[in-house]
Amino acid sequence: DIVMTQSPDSLAVSLGERATINCKSSQSVLYSSNNKNYLAWYQQKPGQTPKLLIYWASTRESGVPDRFSGSGSGTDFTLTISSLQAEDVATYYCQQYYSTPYTFGQGTKLEIK
Amino acid sequence: QVQLQESGPGLVRPSETLSLTCTVSGGSISTYYWSWVRQPPGKGLEWIGFIYYTGTTTYNPSLESRVTISLDTSKNQFSLKLSSVTAADTAVYYCWRGSAAHGGFPSFWGQGTLVTVSS
Repeated sequence: DIVMTQSPDSLAVSLGERATINCKSSQSVLYSSNNKNYLAWYQQKPGQTPKLLIYWASTRESGVPDRFSGSGSGTDFTLTISSLQAEDVATYYCQQYYSTPYTFGQGTKLEIK
Repeated sequence: QVQLQESGPGLVRPSETLSLTCTVSGGSISTYYWSWVRQPPGKGLEWIGFIYYTGTTTYNPSLESRVTISLDTSKNQFSLKLSSVTAADTAVYYCWRGSAAHGGFPSFWGQGTLVTVSS
């Protein structure tokens, strides 16, 4: 199984500041034949269903604000929120879909400082 | 708009079989990948497995000996059965429809249903 490790486990950022969450996979999730990284990011607010934010490591899902961006390749990935808003308080998960079993990171809890 | 709704008992006794159904509305189940994912209270997400509209299944090896996912195209539903449950199987269970781009991430989710394993 591909192990996904996120850092940090929790993060407190001031409103309007940048938030950065990292995700590392135990093996590359870059498929060389199409040069795509099989990596997604989700946001989950308390009591709610997870919401897909990013797929192919950097493609924003329709309707996701452009303050959310994904970057990275191979084994190291980053989710960046450029200017934190109050409604961004949530737990964020990365997920690889390069190979089954699909696996998730342990989550990063984002709070307001 | 495609909608998914999980249904099934909220309480299952240890050693019994957990059975859940995901009903799909607003679209046909006769295409795409259909997955089950679970989340124990206060913990992270675990992918259980998927079924392709052809009936082909892939399961998480950690659960494979206990899991069956099936499709009922006449009812536009797919189902999850997990046998020999223990307290460790207590979780919110979600169903999702895989995206057109790749079945490994969702286009649509159900709202989730909490299943508690307890005597």
